[in-house]
Amino acid sequence: SQKIEQNSEALNIQEGKTATLTCNYTNYSPAYLQWYRQDPGRGPVFLLLIRENEKEKRKERLKVTFDTTLKQSLFHITASQPADSATYLCALQVGGYQKVTFGTGTKLQVIP
Amino acid sequence: SAVISQKPSRDICQRGTSLTIQCQVDSQVTMMFWYRQQPGQSLTLIATANQGSEATYESGFVIDKFPISRPNLTFSTLTVSNMSPEDSSIYLCSAPVYQGDTGELFFGEGSRLTVL
Repeated sequence: SQKIEQNSEALNIQEGKTATLTCNYTNYSPAYLQWYRQDPGRGPVFLLLIRENEKEKRKERLKVTFDTTLKQSLFHITASQPADSATYLCALQVGGYQKVTFGTGTKLQVIP
Repeated sequence: SAVISQKPSRDICQRGTSLTIQCQVDSQVTMMFWYRQQPGQSLTLIATANQGSEATYESGFVIDKFPISRPNLTFSTLTVSNMSPEDSSIYLCSAPVYQGDTGELFFGEGSRLTVL
């Protein structure tokens, strides 16, 4: 069956450190992988998209890698801040289809 | 970008009743998606709503339980019919905004339903 799995447990890190979140998928051949942030009581907000032929994408303090051989994406937040505390969702989009399928999400807590 | 408004933002409903959630987008979009997010869980796609055609439902979701309307390119409704406590959830509508061949999803704030 198809699965998109993220760290099920919350990730606690110290302010200023780099947070690394993992997204693993099985039985998908995604054309695009996206990362979203969701705050409590709010809808998800898009952060980054990476294509299947891209290895890495950066945006300010965010970096995403995409390894289609390992079927894994890593999401990094450098110099983390308490304001980065949220749930982060990875999502897959299969080429030719518009719908986006979400992973289980990882809750990040940045401790001052 | 797109700004998506949903209402109601929350409601408490009685078992056996139905509730319609409205979703308004500030620009014309071809597709709209309805997701469900149960407490502590991730988002599960219910259906894709295209203007001018019937919605496409994902496995486990049926039109009789979740009828969807899409009367124009900026508006959609989702009805949760004959509700039971298991339907207590957050319902989110979303729309993709495309740049080239890729699209990012914009979401409404969600409608939190509690069924007693």
